Amino acid sequence: AAGVIQSPRHLIKEKRETATLKCYPIPRHDTVYWYQQGPGQDPQFLISFYEKMQSDKGSIPDRFSAQQFSDYHSELNMSSLELGDSALYFCASSSQGSHYEQYFGPGTRLTVT
Amino acid sequence: AQKITQTQPGMFVQEKEAVTLDCTYDTSDPSYGLFWYKQPSSGEMIFLIYQGSYDQQNATEGRYSLNFQKARKSANLVISASQLGDSAMYFCAMREGGGGATNKLIFGTGTLLAVQP
Repeated sequence: AAGVIQSPRHLIKEKRETATLKCYPIPRHDTVYWYQQGPGQDPQFLISFYEKMQSDKGSIPDRFSAQQFSDYHSELNMSSLELGDSALYFCASSSQGSHYEQYFGPGTRLTVT
Repeated sequence: AQKITQTQPGMFVQEKEAVTLDCTYDTSDPSYGLFWYKQPSSGEMIFLIYQGSYDQQNATEGRYSLNFQKARKSANLVISASQLGDSAMYFCAMREGGGGATNKLIFGTGTLLAVQP
């Protein structure tokens, strides 16, 4: 079965640089979520999109932005990167027909040096 | 206030034995969903099982079952016949509301399970 695809899987950036993470949800899933998981921590919700519209917002820094495109893929844009942004970034997708069970992608491991 | 509580930071279990991972939750919303995820050392987050607040029966998925006690607000994960590959971090998570725009998951702090041969 098709799963959530994230790219890149690993990313190394320097402080103050920008990064773009991409997510391709499971086909026919209508909702995409972004989570951030710091080292040794549980995932924290950042933002979500339903049918290409922002549906909820969590603890996402103002330096971050995200959008969902017409083909339902989503991108998380991160600017002025800080050392504390180093984390595992997950994208998840769900659909109404499956009780909104969220299926996670493999994650993008971002390291800021 | 902590919405999802996992009180066991780490647990050991012998191979082929059953193990119960504890999870309690707090919500005033009558409609909610409870999830368990497995995160191996490789980092991916694997969906295991889901329980809706209105589900009459406890959820089961293969060797995984969810012991849902609504009055006690607990949703413990039971893994039967543990295997070495079950060694991982396990997260309990909750979605408040029955679905729709507010579907974000709130996670517990996780339980690190080690299966011993």
